[in-house]
Amino acid sequence: QKEVEQNSGPLSVPEGAIASLNCTYSDRGSQSFFWYRQYSGKSPELIMSIYSNGDKEDGRFTAQLNKASQYVSLLIRDSQPSDSATYLCAVGDNQGGKLIFGQGTELSVKP
Amino acid sequence: EPEVTQTPSHQVTQMGQEVILRCVPISNHLYFYWYRQILGQKVEFLVSFYNNEISEKSEIFDDQFSVERPDGSNFTLKIRSTKLEDSAMYFCASSRLGGYTFGSGTRLTVV
Repeated sequence: QKEVEQNSGPLSVPEGAIASLNCTYSDRGSQSFFWYRQYSGKSPELIMSIYSNGDKEDGRFTAQLNKASQYVSLLIRDSQPSDSATYLCAVGDNQGGKLIFGQGTELSVKP
Repeated sequence: EPEVTQTPSHQVTQMGQEVILRCVPISNHLYFYWYRQILGQKVEFLVSFYNNEISEKSEIFDDQFSVERPDGSNFTLKIRSTKLEDSAMYFCASSRLGGYTFGSGTRLTVV
């Protein structure tokens, strides 16, 4: 059974701080990794995708991938109250293309 | 920006009834998916569809469920004889290569 694990939180950070969200996955052969943001009652919204080891930056967001450690992270710089949401880590399944989701980490950014 | 459209946004049905959830994927996407999310739980894969046939289905996707692409634009999920435990958000998604685009979801409530 392929698993994706996240701390469920809640993670609380003050406005302007860096929020760090972590994810581990069980399938060493995984090749594609995604971070989605989900507001309560809404659908997942793609924030970042990453396929290679290292960092990938997009605005205030940085995704980090370490395949040797089977670890993916998302950093949010200059956190804003509007960033308060649940962040879902998803790993692409090579065989069928489906995504395997973690439980999600609830982030709360306090003004 | 292209969207995946789902209808209805909310469906209430009596236990034992059949429901059809509808999706219009992004027009040049090739892969189509249904996921569900029970309140407070992970997003779970149900089925993937490519080239007019099911490419993969999960253990959840038993004989109660079926999918169809009746024309060039619509993609439907049919749930026969609904049960209380089918109450969830159902998300349609489509992709071309890489990350998905999710629809806004249908909240199914079985009473």
